[in-house]
Amino acid sequence: EPEVTQTPSHQVTQMGQEVILRCVPISNHLYFYWYRQILGQKVEFLVSFYNNEISEKSEIFDDQFSVERPDGSNFTLKIRSTKLEDSAMYFCASSESFGGSNQPQHFGDGTRLSIL
Amino acid sequence: AQSVAQPEDQVNVAEGNPLTVKCTYSVSGNPYLFWYVQYPNRGLQFLLKYITGDNLVKGSYGFEAEFNKSQTSFHLKKPSALVSDSALYFCAVRDIPLGAAGNKLTFGGGTRVLVKP
Repeated sequence: EPEVTQTPSHQVTQMGQEVILRCVPISNHLYFYWYRQILGQKVEFLVSFYNNEISEKSEIFDDQFSVERPDGSNFTLKIRSTKLEDSAMYFCASSESFGGSNQPQHFGDGTRLSIL
Repeated sequence: AQSVAQPEDQVNVAEGNPLTVKCTYSVSGNPYLFWYVQYPNRGLQFLLKYITGDNLVKGSYGFEAEFNKSQTSFHLKKPSALVSDSALYFCAVRDIPLGAAGNKLTFGGGTRVLVKP
């Protein structure tokens, strides 16, 4: 069964450094998402992306965050200047375009980001 | 704004007994409801969804869920739990206001299920 893959599984970064989290969505999916889960808290929506542009973003997704689909397979989340509070598990997800928003989102295994 | 509540942090059940994980939601439009399961060090795996139609939906691994509009609930159930069902379960809602596309999922806080042999 096709899967969403995320790399790396664990990223350790110094505060203030830039970090790029990478995702390969399922190949025939056209909607892409990033969520995060701070330890012990809820899974929170960050951003959705469709047709090469952001379709929706949360208040968490400020100017420090950006997303990109640099080629036909990767979907990346960049944090420009990391803060301690950015430490969390980041999940990438994708869903099919057919049927629109009633299709389930399929999640990767996540990247654990630790900011020192 | 949409929200989801899972009132139980943990549910303990003996293997072979029925399992219920509770979820209530609040939306402004018509809800699309989802259940996901998370095993240790893994992502969220889709179990089932309610979009429209029959209020009882069946999903993966023998799970089912019942949509109750009057109680704004979408409880997850399994008639006979297995030890391997021990995991973290998340309810999620996608609010679809009239005229909007709306793909964002809002998750509940999760319920840890422990099935004892």
